[in-house]
Amino acid sequence: DSGVTQTPKHLITATGQRVTLRCSPRSGDLSVYWYQQSLDQGLQFLIQYYNGEERAKGNILERFSAQQFPDLHSELNLSSLELGDSALYFCASSGGTSTVEKLFFGSGTQLSVL
Amino acid sequence: SQELEQSPQSLIVQEGKNLTINCTSSKTLYGLYWYKQKYGEGLIFLMMLQKGGEEKSHEKITAKLDEKKQQSSLHITASQPSHAGIYLCGADKEQNGGADGLTFGKGTHLIIQP
Repeated sequence: DSGVTQTPKHLITATGQRVTLRCSPRSGDLSVYWYQQSLDQGLQFLIQYYNGEERAKGNILERFSAQQFPDLHSELNLSSLELGDSALYFCASSGGTSTVEKLFFGSGTQLSVL
Repeated sequence: SQELEQSPQSLIVQEGKNLTINCTSSKTLYGLYWYKQKYGEGLIFLMMLQKGGEEKSHEKITAKLDEKKQQSSLHITASQPSHAGIYLCGADKEQNGGADGLTFGKGTHLIIQP
């Protein structure tokens, strides 16, 4: 158990809809990272938050947004969903802003857009 | 942007045999991470290599970093069914870590045949 909790584990929705994925980092970790994993693209970095503030952005679409709350949990919001958004979404946490420290991954949310 | 290419993409090995997975970077490697993912689960940190020539071992898994070749290899000795899964290499985008998330390869799918 990595200590990172992601909910829900599975999500099935229709095109055009909006969903929210939730992540609780390991106790004490200030950084939260969101990744998207698909068969063709592999594991893609989306965005990082550190202590409530956006720290780095990767290949995140404008339809997607995230935030980190004062209790350090994070939410990834995906809107106007398309079939191609179907993927496994991971949250990871670490103790600082540098990724020299190893990342601790949640078990992911499997999103299926029908 | 940095790309990590893993080879082979998939590997079927008889139990008890040795195997090697490679990860080659298109740019200078500042920090190289190996993770293992069981199907449908999150990523588990295996090892991190930072210096050229560095070699680390964990149980029957050994990883090496060849800085000049911008390459890392992961070697499993006397493979067991518990070694099955997806092995991913990840790299820091900047020297001294940086906060930009890790770049990952697409993974190597390892199947162990009894």
